Amino acid sequence: GESVGLHLPTLSVQEGDNSIINCAYSNSASDYFIWYKQESGKGPQFIIDIRSNMDKRQGQRVTVLLNKTVKHLSLQIAATQPGDSAVYFCAEKVGAQKLVFGQGTRLTINP
Amino acid sequence: KAGVTQTPRYLIKTRGQQVTLSCSPISGHRSVSWYQQTPGQGLQFLFEYFSETQRNKGNFPGRFSGRQFSNSRSEMNVSTLELGDSALYLCASSRWRGLANTGELFFGEGSRLTVL
Repeated sequence: GESVGLHLPTLSVQEGDNSIINCAYSNSASDYFIWYKQESGKGPQFIIDIRSNMDKRQGQRVTVLLNKTVKHLSLQIAATQPGDSAVYFCAEKVGAQKLVFGQGTRLTINP
Repeated sequence: KAGVTQTPRYLIKTRGQQVTLSCSPISGHRSVSWYQQTPGQGLQFLFEYFSETQRNKGNFPGRFSGRQFSNSRSEMNVSTLELGDSALYLCASSRWRGLANTGELFFGEGSRLTVL
């Protein structure tokens, strides 16, 4: 079925540390995954995506890892900053234009 | 360029009423999708429109409907409102269909509906 979930609902890290947000998905046929960031009062904002033919993709301070064997996705944020505080969602493409979102992880950065 | 614009940003309705929400996609974008966001269910796909045609629909009752106009602007309507319809309704646009090829889906800031 269509199900994308997150292991932890909240994550608190020290400013400057690295953060890792995890996500499990259930549809082994999914070929495209996206991480979104949602700040309070705003809509989700695209962070990074990855296709199923890749294991890793890097952006600016962010890295997404895909493990298709265990259907696991993770988002790594390097040197977290106060502006990284937000709710992070993973999303799985299940149709041409349809995404199934995880429940989200709230990331809090401690000074 | 302007992002996805949703109106109204906030609205309060009572049970049994109906509501219409509007979405103006980014200029040049032809695909518009709608999502419902609630604390309990998270982000859930409602429907997607492309070239004035509904291309995909989520698991929502028939009280939820939408349409797209020739200028790609979209509206969604919820009739006979229930308390559980209280949510943030998000609109997202992309230039074409096929996310893996087109990449980003740009979201608006949403319309927050409260049903009393």
